[in-house]
Amino acid sequence: DAGVIQSPRHEVTEMGQEVTLRCKPISGHDYLFWYRQTMMRGLELLIYFNNNVPIDDSGMPEDRFSAKMPNASFSTLKIQPSEPRDSAVYFCASSLTGPNTEAFFGQGTRLTVV
Amino acid sequence: AQSVTQPDIHITVSEGASLELRCNYSYGATPYLFWYVQSPGQGLQLLLKYFSGDTLVQGIKGFEAEFKRSQSSFNLRKPSVHWSDAAEYFCAVRPSGSARQLTFGSGTQLTVLP
Repeated sequence: DAGVIQSPRHEVTEMGQEVTLRCKPISGHDYLFWYRQTMMRGLELLIYFNNNVPIDDSGMPEDRFSAKMPNASFSTLKIQPSEPRDSAVYFCASSLTGPNTEAFFGQGTRLTVV
Repeated sequence: AQSVTQPDIHITVSEGASLELRCNYSYGATPYLFWYVQSPGQGLQLLLKYFSGDTLVQGIKGFEAEFKRSQSSFNLRKPSVHWSDAAEYFCAVRPSGSARQLTFGSGTQLTVLP
């Protein structure tokens, strides 16, 4: 398996623009997570899905952020409009159902908003 | 709310020396416990995990960790460090119930001297 695939790896955008980050989870995994990593706040969960349904979005910072999972093999995280403080590395992860399972992470998308 | 503390922000060891990275958690019940490693510009790779049973768990790359319930700790160890072990290490916890989200510590940066 190719693992969790994220695109793009790097994104530079201007403040006010819309940004869309993409994730393909490991085939067969039914949980998908979006995390954000910053120097100030470390790794924090933004949202996670189970069977394409959002379960917990309490970590989404504000209404400018939205996430969708239209099918089992694809998810997007959108920021509109983007702000410089959104600059971070965004990770997608997936896992199987079951108590004794772990999350597998993608390589991340480094977002810079200028 | 659960929390994870990694008290050492940065550790430097010489190649061949032993290593111990500390992790303490705060949670009402015994959570599931994980150690991840992140190399520069890369995603998070799982080193090892603890769900139940034997409190000494073995992981990849020669790492091990010991769960100590009385101390709420899950310290990572390696008897002999290699230069390629230089990276950032994250301890994470997950509730042992149905919730799936990981809570991460702030990370420990490991430098290995030749």
